Amino acid sequence: EAQVTQNPRYLITVTGKKLTVTCSQNMNHEYMSWYRQDPGLGLRQIYYSMNVEVTDKGDVPEGYKVSRKEKRNFPLILESPSPNQTSLYFCASSADHRANTEAFFGQGTRLTVV
Amino acid sequence: AQSVTQPDIHITVSEGASLELRCNYSYGATPYLFWYVQSPGQGLQLLLKYFSGDTLVQGIKGFEAEFKRSQSSFNLRKPSVHWSDAAEYFCAVGARTGRRALTFGSGTRLQVQP
Repeated sequence: EAQVTQNPRYLITVTGKKLTVTCSQNMNHEYMSWYRQDPGLGLRQIYYSMNVEVTDKGDVPEGYKVSRKEKRNFPLILESPSPNQTSLYFCASSADHRANTEAFFGQGTRLTVV
Repeated sequence: AQSVTQPDIHITVSEGASLELRCNYSYGATPYLFWYVQSPGQGLQLLLKYFSGDTLVQGIKGFEAEFKRSQSSFNLRKPSVHWSDAAEYFCAVGARTGRRALTFGSGTRLQVQP
């Protein structure tokens, strides 16, 4: 089954404690991205990756890092989380970067930073 | 840069009633247009999309949307709502050129009354 898998689904952490949210897709997609979803703001892109070792900032990259060492994996790293990063995070993948290529979304990771 | 406006934050309809969710976009040309649905605790699922051609597009679960260039709108409709349609709905636009993925609206939460 084609899917995008995120882990963990729920995470509560303390300010400043480094964390990683994993994302894996099994569709051999080139393009992967991370979004955060906040009430009243919809989904905003954090980072994206056009292919292995190619990443770039989205609209709200501050406080986040990513890496793309393998095609299937695209982890999101918060080196020093702060309460304003409390949000619902989604990973997405698509065959390529073009906007008319269907994006597949993971189930989301709800992060709370206290 | 493109933008999307969903003017209704929350809509309540009775089961069996018709539904229309509004979406207005801002973009220099005709964008790619999408509607996604997010059920509680789930990721986003693509309902339908418009790229070109017939301005009335059919999607899954009995939904349809109409692209109106003169009004910069892409409203989502369903003739008879089912209780299982209760969810959050996101309109999104994609640029036809450039690196980009999708720009999402802020979402409309649909509640269905028995």
